Amino acid sequence: GAVVSQHPSRVICKSGTSVKIECRSLDFQATTMFWYRQFPKQSLMLMATSNEGSKATYEQGVEKDKFLINHASLTLSTLTVTSAHPEDSSFYICSARGGYNSPLHFGNGTRLTVT
Amino acid sequence: AQTVTQSQPEMSVQEAETVTLSCTYDTSESDYYLFWYKQPPSRQMILVIRQEAYKQQNATENRFSVNFQKAAKSFSLKISDSQLGDAAMYFCAYRSENTGTASKLTFGTGTRLQVTL
Repeated sequence: GAVVSQHPSRVICKSGTSVKIECRSLDFQATTMFWYRQFPKQSLMLMATSNEGSKATYEQGVEKDKFLINHASLTLSTLTVTSAHPEDSSFYICSARGGYNSPLHFGNGTRLTVT
Repeated sequence: AQTVTQSQPEMSVQEAETVTLSCTYDTSESDYYLFWYKQPPSRQMILVIRQEAYKQQNATENRFSVNFQKAAKSFSLKISDSQLGDAAMYFCAYRSENTGTASKLTFGTGTRLQVTL
């Protein structure tokens, strides 16, 4: 089946630094990718939707200058958490799909800890 | 905006027994999809079952089946012959058919299912 690879699975960074998370579709072309954030014991909250070659669409309340999303190719989207703070510590999950009615495939997630 | 509500934060079922997880949603749309996802401790999101709103027949996938009541906006998941591997967090999700929403998913708050011996 289709696979979405997310890297790294865990990252620890110091406050004020930036962290990049990659989401790759390994065996299909992902026209759209979604980035979610999940706090402990809570649901997945959509942060943004990215379409290949265009600017990401951010959900209300998500700072686009803090969470930079780049979807430069049909197989790769990146989320960069800029100037990270401890409150950014969370579990980040990407998902990707091919065409509009194609199934959605999830990455394994990235646990970010900001110290 | 659509909302998805799961009123059971935790459920427990004995191995081999049947359990039903509840989900209700609110929407003004007539065309949409509903999903149940499973998130085990590995945190990987796994699709369990999906239902198209235009279909009256309830979806089934082996031991998993749904009770879709469109008028009541209810979408419960029944797990039959529960197995230890079914223990996980279960999320109900809604997806609009409105192309303007880019088919993004709206998730419920989740139900943690424990399976006991």
